Amino acid sequence: EVHLVESGGGLAQPGGSLRLSCAASGFTFNKYAMSWVRQAPGKGLEWVSTVSGSSDPTYYADSVKGRFTISRDNSKSTLYLQMNSLRAEDTAVYFCAKNRMGDNWGQGTLVTVSS
Amino acid sequence: QSVLTQPPSASGTPGQRVTISCSGSRSNIGLNTVNWYQQLPGTAPKLLIYSSNQRPSGVPDRFSGSKSGTSASLAISGLQSEDEADYYCAAWDDSLNGGVFGGGTKLTVL
Repeated sequence: EVHLVESGGGLAQPGGSLRLSCAASGFTFNKYAMSWVRQAPGKGLEWVSTVSGSSDPTYYADSVKGRFTISRDNSKSTLYLQMNSLRAEDTAVYFCAKNRMGDNWGQGTLVTVSS
Repeated sequence: QSVLTQPPSASGTPGQRVTISCSGSRSNIGLNTVNWYQQLPGTAPKLLIYSSNQRPSGVPDRFSGSKSGTSASLAISGLQSEDEADYYCAAWDDSLNGGVFGGGTKLTVL
């Protein structure tokens, strides 16, 4: 059974940084692209970033390009999202998902950007 | 404003059939398959339909998907109270080189 567990969310100040992690199990991690999708409070889903199984290529939404970096460690079956220069509008629940558009999802981790 | 367009709301009575539309463009729905997700309050999205018309194991056959040109639709037959949720369509966009979602449709079972 596929299992995805996000961690690393919390409160950050505007301009600050956070690093999210997603521990994966139940499938051959390096064979699948992985993605981050976020959902602001009371809003819809927004695709954030995708990384291929081999770590290259990577893809980003315009809203996070240049500020966020997606990466993965296939030896640890773990996906990461380094978030820098955080803004209030980055406040959301961040989900990791298997594949480009997500066939399995984690439970999400809340990121709040506020002073 | 979402790249994929869905109606913000839909409703039906138990046992009825409802459809939710998703309109896009050539670069997304026109060239790629569509996924549909169900999201219950406070939970993660759950994949309902992949590859435009395929159901993952465990999803009841009351749920079906279709795609034509640059539009897709989700049909739910034999509507049940537990189907009350938010529904999202999604696809990869070859022009944006990224994923795109619809704005979501809130389904109410009357």
